[in-house]
Amino acid sequence: SQQGEEDPQALSIQEGENATMNCSYKTSINNLQWYRQNSGRGLVHLILIRSNEREKHSGRLRVTLDTSKKSSSLLITASRAADTASYFCAVRTGGFKTIFGAGTRLFVKA
Amino acid sequence: GAVVSQHPSRVICKSGTSVKIECRSLDFQATTMFWYRQFPKQSLMLMATSNEGSKATYEQGVEKDKFLINHASLTLSTLTVASAHPEDSSFYICSARTSGGRNEQFFGPGTRLTVL
Repeated sequence: SQQGEEDPQALSIQEGENATMNCSYKTSINNLQWYRQNSGRGLVHLILIRSNEREKHSGRLRVTLDTSKKSSSLLITASRAADTASYFCAVRTGGFKTIFGAGTRLFVKA
Repeated sequence: GAVVSQHPSRVICKSGTSVKIECRSLDFQATTMFWYRQFPKQSLMLMATSNEGSKATYEQGVEKDKFLINHASLTLSTLTVASAHPEDSSFYICSARTSGGRNEQFFGPGTRLTVL
């Protein structure tokens, strides 16, 4: 399969709670990126973590990367209704392809 | 970041029509562009890698005669869906990789194709 796996597939939380999404992949990577996509719209790049990094922060986002387990997590703290979207991890392989995970649909209830 | 545009943003056509989608890197040169397809509520699937001046490389299961890719210049790649059918209805997204050392990749806003 081209895609990595993400879990959960769907996540529903209350505003103010934290949301954690996980991503696993199969190949060796140069970097891993997280994207957000609102329904029917284009991608918004959130954060990039390189293969030699373990953790990265950007505002309310925290990303971890464990290359030994071939997995990453995205944590959104203090979620807002406006965070409702689909979130995808994407790995950049040695061949410069970017392969996307299956995605997590996040719904934040106001 | 760099800008990638797609045209058209939305197209509705009759079955059997061929549809061309353009992907342009507006402020940088892209020796490599990628085409993705996304069905509703699904992820992006890489269709092909387009290299300027050479033939595209297609992913397994993607028909090269159905999805014709031309990367004629460092700022333009086109995807033509030949004789489109309703099952080709999808969201098509391109991305462009910068040349040189940075190797960054930027995504276009997508083109929604609806085949009646």
